[in-house]
Amino acid sequence: EDQVTQSPEALRLQEGESSSLNCSYTVSGLRGLFWYRQDPGKGPEFLFTLYSAGEEKEKERLKATLTKKESFLHITAPKPEDSATYLCAVRARVNYGGSQGNLIFGKGTKLSVKP
Amino acid sequence: GAVVSQHPSWVICKSGTSVKIECRSLDFQATTMFWYRQFPKQSLMLMATSNEGSKATYEQGVEKDKFLINHASLTLSTLTVTSAHPEDSSFYICSAKRSAETQYFGPGTRLLVL
Repeated sequence: EDQVTQSPEALRLQEGESSSLNCSYTVSGLRGLFWYRQDPGKGPEFLFTLYSAGEEKEKERLKATLTKKESFLHITAPKPEDSATYLCAVRARVNYGGSQGNLIFGKGTKLSVKP
Repeated sequence: GAVVSQHPSWVICKSGTSVKIECRSLDFQATTMFWYRQFPKQSLMLMATSNEGSKATYEQGVEKDKFLINHASLTLSTLTVTSAHPEDSSFYICSAKRSAETQYFGPGTRLLVL
């Protein structure tokens, strides 16, 4: 069964304290791994798509990396405005497993950055 | 990034009434839109896939007669919660597929059924 597990569930950082969020996945044929940011009461905001192991993408203080089993979202020198829940999702190849190529989401990591 | 809107942003209704939620892709055409439900501190759960001009595909356990989906144009999909009950109270989020892989999400609609 296709599955996405994110850790930690919650992370508290001081402003400027770099850290990483983990997304472990089990999927039969990865078609893409996605990172989203979700603020309270809002819909997810697209951040990155990664397609193959070894791929990296960066946007401001965020960098996403991908291996065959997991993805990391590295946050460098975070600021209070980076506080949000970060969601990871995978899309399996159509007709592999039971997910029919739809996005499968993890439960997210709630990041709090204190000034 | 691409813009997807939802209306209303929140709604309170009495048990037994029906509620319609609209999802629009504002700056691109979307042949495929998705409807998700999210309970507090839980992940997004896909309810159904909406394809323009054809019937929606519902996920296992989602009642198609209760959650009516219409995707009449390339920029609009609607979700109607029929005969709503308190257990239908949730955060409903739509998304639209802009490319083969990337989905953009709307801001969500919070539904409270009294």
